Amino acid sequence: TQLLEQSPQFLSIQEGENLTVYCNSSSVFSSLQWYRQEPGEGPVLLVTVVTGGEVKKLKRLTFQFGDARKDSSLHITAAQPGDTGLYLCAGALDSNYQLIWGAGTKLIIKP
Amino acid sequence: GAGVSQSPRYKVAKRGQDVALRCDPISGHVSLFWYQQALGQGPEFLTYFQNEAQLDKSGLPSDRFFAERPEGSVSTLKIQRTQQEDSAVYLCASSSLDRVQFFGPGTRLTVL
Repeated sequence: TQLLEQSPQFLSIQEGENLTVYCNSSSVFSSLQWYRQEPGEGPVLLVTVVTGGEVKKLKRLTFQFGDARKDSSLHITAAQPGDTGLYLCAGALDSNYQLIWGAGTKLIIKP
Repeated sequence: GAGVSQSPRYKVAKRGQDVALRCDPISGHVSLFWYQQALGQGPEFLTYFQNEAQLDKSGLPSDRFFAERPEGSVSTLKIQRTQQEDSAVYLCASSSLDRVQFFGPGTRLTVL
C-alpha cells in the first residue's frame, strides 16, 4: 500500500507565526503537488516539485522536495488569516496515473 | 473554458432519487478523474478516464455509481437510488500529459 503521511492534521496559530507542514512516504515520487482548498471550493494547485532537493518559493510559502523524492515540506512565514484553509499534498508515481494523496492539514490563522 | 467547471454546485436529493453530476474539463485534457471528499479530508479516488475510456473504476463505492465520458470531453457521474451515506462533495479534475491535476469547484450533494 502506497501512503503519503501528512502532518499535522490540524494547526491553529496566531497571525505572524511561522509553521511547517510535512508529507512523508516510503515511495519515490516523480513529482509532488501541493494544493490549498477553501471551504466550498475545489483544491487549487500551489506548486509542483519535480527534482530531488528542489526548493520553490511562492511569496511567504516555501516548498521543498526531499533529496530522495520521498518527502516534502511546506513552510509558511509570518502566517496571515488569508492563509487559512486545507492544505493537501499529492505525489505522482511513474508506475501509476493516480496521485497518492495526503489526508490534509487544516490550518487556521487567528488574527 | 479556462478551468474545470462542474454543475450543479449544490444538489439536494431525497433518499432513493437518482442524481447526475456534470464535469466540463479543461479543453484538450486527456485525463479526467472523479473524487469524493468528506469534510476536512483529502479527496478519495472514484474513477479515471483517459479520453472516452474508463480505465479504472475501482474507487466507485457500489454499483449504484456510474460514470461516463462518451466523447472524451464532458463527463457525468450518476448515482442511482441515493442513500444518506452518499452525501459528500464530488470533485472532478482533469490533467494533460504532465499529470498535474486541475480541479473544479465540486458539487455538494446532500441526501435527505
